[in-house]
Amino acid sequence: ETGVTQTPRHLVMGMTNKKSLKCEQHLGHNAMYWYKQSAKKPLELMFVYSLEERVENNSVPSRFSPECPNSSHLFLHLHTLQPEDSALYLCASSQETGGSEKLFFGSGTQLSVL
Amino acid sequence: GQNIDQPTEMTATEGAIVQINCTYQTSGFNGLFWYQQHAGEAPTFLSYNVLDGLEEKGRFSSFLSRSKGYSYLLLKELQMKDSASYLCAVRDSNYQLIWGAGTKLIIKP
Repeated sequence: ETGVTQTPRHLVMGMTNKKSLKCEQHLGHNAMYWYKQSAKKPLELMFVYSLEERVENNSVPSRFSPECPNSSHLFLHLHTLQPEDSALYLCASSQETGGSEKLFFGSGTQLSVL
Repeated sequence: GQNIDQPTEMTATEGAIVQINCTYQTSGFNGLFWYQQHAGEAPTFLSYNVLDGLEEKGRFSSFLSRSKGYSYLLLKELQMKDSASYLCAVRDSNYQLIWGAGTKLIIKP
């Protein structure tokens, strides 16, 4: 148990569906992240929220839309996805202290786009 | 460009020692992390190095040489539960984390 909970664990969706991924952290951290993990590829940072404000968006397609209503919750809204978006989506949190902070990850949502 | 290299897969025997290497080329350096990820589970923090040398933590040790852009993770007295992927990540001068693709470690009895 890492203190970061993601739901659902698995998701299958068609290209025309709309779904949302949810992440909740119980660690009192002030930063939350969405990462994409594809097989045999490095983790790709998608979005970063610090103190509930988005601080990074690494050229992620607009079909992915993040939402951070408070410091404990993070959502990733999905719509009109493509098959190449199939991957493991990981949420993480950290307490920003200037460099040495470690990330606490959730177990991820395994997404399959048909 | 920025790059982290680590072997794709390694195999070792239960009870033995294995060394997983990581080399990096990044814009600046502000620390190197190792994470462990069991299949279907969350990556979990193993170690952090920011100064040269060896950091020991039980059966696991991590080494850093900043001049060589090189780190390794040393696992001793291997157990079957050590079968996992090991991720190397470097924080660059902008405090961005650059990730390697991970090393899948297979432990055989």
